[in-house]
Amino acid sequence: DQQVKQNSPSLSVQEGRISILNCDYTNSMFDYFLWYKKYPAEGPTFLISISSIKDKNEDGRFTVFLNKSAKHLSLHIVPSQPGDSAVYFCAASARSSNTGKLIFGQGTTLQVKP
Amino acid sequence: KAGVTQTPRYLIKTRGQQVTLSCSPISGHRSVSWYQQTPGQGLQFLFEYFSETQRNKGNFPGRFSGRQFSNSRSEMNVSTLELGDSALYLCASSFSGDQETQYFGPGTRLLVL
Repeated sequence: DQQVKQNSPSLSVQEGRISILNCDYTNSMFDYFLWYKKYPAEGPTFLISISSIKDKNEDGRFTVFLNKSAKHLSLHIVPSQPGDSAVYFCAASARSSNTGKLIFGQGTTLQVKP
Repeated sequence: KAGVTQTPRYLIKTRGQQVTLSCSPISGHRSVSWYQQTPGQGLQFLFEYFSETQRNKGNFPGRFSGRQFSNSRSEMNVSTLELGDSALYLCASSFSGDQETQYFGPGTRLLVL
């Protein structure tokens, strides 16, 4: 039972355009969400997070949107740069778990073309 | 501030052997979580330690175990290695683990032959 899903395995965009990565979840107990970026053979790098009390969080070129009713979140990268090419994971946690347990999606490979 | 460090970075073992991986969290962080990344299963939660106590455990067999020391450093052990244990093992640290950003180390790449 995959509680966090990233249905698009890959995404290709042109440099300077917007990249939109999507993530869906099924567990209504999830109330904290994160996006990580990962290069091969390296650990994930934290990008941005959002609590369920918000519907938007922005940090520079990165914005995360949360739609609780649809159980959907998205990461917008504007403008996209070639250095953004990597695998992006969304992750979720539930306050009720009271522990550091993150549930990850399968990842979306973003390619930004110069 | 130094990031999360993991040793060794690469490891080759044969079936049936056991292995111990080490993780040093960011200074001041008391929660350490371990994850396994494989091409087929993605990133999966193994277990989490906080103040030397295991607080949560993922759906892995008992061959996977861990511990945390008083300085928050953590080790994980895999006994009786199987081919399917080949993976990137990642640890992540945070202050308390709950509703916080976890910061990941570079991982240990384990190959079981």
